[in-house]
Amino acid sequence: EVQLVESGGGLVQPGRSLRLSCAASGFTFDDYAMHWVRQAPGKGLEWVSGISWNSGSIGYADSVKGRFTISRDNAKNSLYLQMNSLRAEDTALYYCAKDPEAVAGRGWFDPWGQGTLVTVSS
Amino acid sequence: QSVLTQPPSVSGAPGQRVTISCTGSSSNIGAGYDVHWYQQLPGTAPKLLIYGNSNRPSGVPDRFSGSKSGTSASLAITGLQAEDEADYYCQSYDSSLSYVFGTGTKVTVL
Repeated sequence: EVQLVESGGGLVQPGRSLRLSCAASGFTFDDYAMHWVRQAPGKGLEWVSGISWNSGSIGYADSVKGRFTISRDNAKNSLYLQMNSLRAEDTALYYCAKDPEAVAGRGWFDPWGQGTLVTVSS
Repeated sequence: QSVLTQPPSVSGAPGQRVTISCTGSSSNIGAGYDVHWYQQLPGTAPKLLIYGNSNRPSGVPDRFSGSKSGTSASLAITGLQAEDEADYYCQSYDSSLSYVFGTGTKVTVL
């Protein structure tokens, strides 16, 4: 069974940093691109970032460009999101999700993890 | 920031048919990019419902169907059931090199 488990969320002050992790199992991790998608409380879904199988292709939403960094460790079957200069508007449930292709190619997200909550507040 | 527009809510009685529209633009749906749909039950992560405009993953009932035309797409639910009460989101790709989601639609079973 394909499984994605996020961790690393928590309460953080504005301007500080946080690193999220996503542990993958049940599939050949380095065959697929991966993504982070977030959902603010009571709001809709927003794509945050995506990374290809070999980290050769990376993309970010304009709202996080220059502050967030996505990375992966294929040896550890893990995806990461380094979040710097956090703002109140970054408060959300952060999901990791699997791409159907090796290079993020305008496809869909399936499956999704259960999410990890990030709260940015003083 | 959602660039695909959906109605905030739709409702129907059990057994009825409801449709959810997803309106984009020439830079996303109208540019030929596929549309995908997700179902989010209360308190859970989104689940893929339709991919590639009209394809159902294994395990998704054939009561759910999708279509796309021009700059819009639609999700239809026939034979509405109580367990279909959820939020539904469309998703596509945009020429600005980002993935885009719809504003979301809450389906209520009366």
